[in-house]
Amino acid sequence: DIQMTQSPSSLSASIGDRVTITCQASEDITNSLNWYQLKPGKAPRLLIYGASNLESGVPSRFSGSGSGTDFTLTISSLQPEDISTYFCQHYDDLAFTFGPGTKLDIK
Amino acid sequence: EVQLLESGGDLVQSGGSLRVSCVASGFTFSSHAMSWIRQAPGKGLEWVSSINGYGESTYSADSVRGRFTVSRDNSKNTLYLQMNWLRAEDTAIYYCAKDRAFRLGPGAGIFESWGQGTLVTVSS
Repeated sequence: DIQMTQSPSSLSASIGDRVTITCQASEDITNSLNWYQLKPGKAPRLLIYGASNLESGVPSRFSGSGSGTDFTLTISSLQPEDISTYFCQHYDDLAFTFGPGTKLDIK
Repeated sequence: EVQLLESGGDLVQSGGSLRVSCVASGFTFSSHAMSWIRQAPGKGLEWVSSINGYGESTYSADSVRGRFTVSRDNSKNTLYLQMNWLRAEDTAIYYCAKDRAFRLGPGAGIFESWGQGTLVTVSS
């Protein structure tokens, strides 16, 4: 089974900062990688699909990159509403595996 | 607007059963595969079960296979998860999620809309 790891597990940043979260797969997954935002009491939100495609309605400050085993979610200028936990997720045929998450808060 | 509303979460004893539901609106329900995904307290997300648009094909994680059954009633725009032989480790918020795809298999697994979840607590 493919395993997903994320780093860092938690991150503190200031408003306006550029924030980068990484996700690594245990083997080559080409670009079968999504990113989600999860806030307590709210419905999780798809941000990026297929490693680099911005989901409709998601602010353009979010971007995704990478292929193979190494992926990155970038927030170009952190906003207060971006405080959340972020998960990567691999999808392949009948395997759906999430990373352990990165908790982002304000410094 | 896509809406997914889960219900049925409750406190249940270990070894017991529970059925949770998810009512969908704002899209053609039968055109999309649907999934259940859970988050245990203080833990990450775990995919549980998926079902294709017509309800003919299902797939579940090893951790719940043989205990949980996913089903759907397209006439009622409703997704179900029947959970039997519940264990303490099944305690979690259960989310339903709409897949971008109709079928399970290659291309499925982009969970484009989610509900807010329903809490299932299993006491030991």
